[in-house]
Amino acid sequence: SQQGEEDPQALSIQEGENATMNCSYKTSINNLQWYRQNSGRGLVHLILIRSNEREKHSGRLRVTLDTSKKSSSLLITASRAADTASYFCATDQKETSGSRLTFGEGTQLTVNP
Amino acid sequence: EAGVTQFPSHSVIEKGQTVTLRCDPISGHDNLYWYRRVMGKEIKFLLHFVKESKQDESGMPNNRFLAERTGGTYSTLKVQPAELEDSGVYFCASSPLRGHYGYTFGSGTRLTVV
Repeated sequence: SQQGEEDPQALSIQEGENATMNCSYKTSINNLQWYRQNSGRGLVHLILIRSNEREKHSGRLRVTLDTSKKSSSLLITASRAADTASYFCATDQKETSGSRLTFGEGTQLTVNP
Repeated sequence: EAGVTQFPSHSVIEKGQTVTLRCDPISGHDNLYWYRRVMGKEIKFLLHFVKESKQDESGMPNNRFLAERTGGTYSTLKVQPAELEDSGVYFCASSPLRGHYGYTFGSGTRLTVV
């Protein structure tokens, strides 16, 4: 599998439900980031979790990181139609800014009104 | 604060032609990156500038791609001559030299080579 591989590739839910997306990676990392891409738009940074953190919250987002399993999950609670987008995880191996991100193929989330 | 700006947003060119993509990073961001997403696959790193210097260009696919960042401000990515497999979305991102709060990406340039 590729570094930063997301699962599932596509997810369709009803508004109000929770959406969980998973990401697996291969190498050691300094941090893992989640991004969202709305159709035709750029990547928006959602949340960053460092390798020494296990869980992080930001609004309706909850990210977990399990470095022993090299995996992360993104939970969006109480989803809205506006959450419809592609979600990507990206790993960063360096501690300081200025290194490449390794992305997965993304999960296409569709939230039906 | 203005975000990362990319121009054009879309470009359709014929195989063999030349296209130049431009990226204006956030003012003061010394790090500038180019990524691309081809055919719905994963987003892949192309290269990284620190100011005007190429820090890492290991992701550049071949010598048909040339990136520059004159004066350490905006950057251009030229594809010459373009091939069909170059079609995709090209993203630019920037970040400050210090600190680590995630990268700011532009809206991307959708390149279609026909």
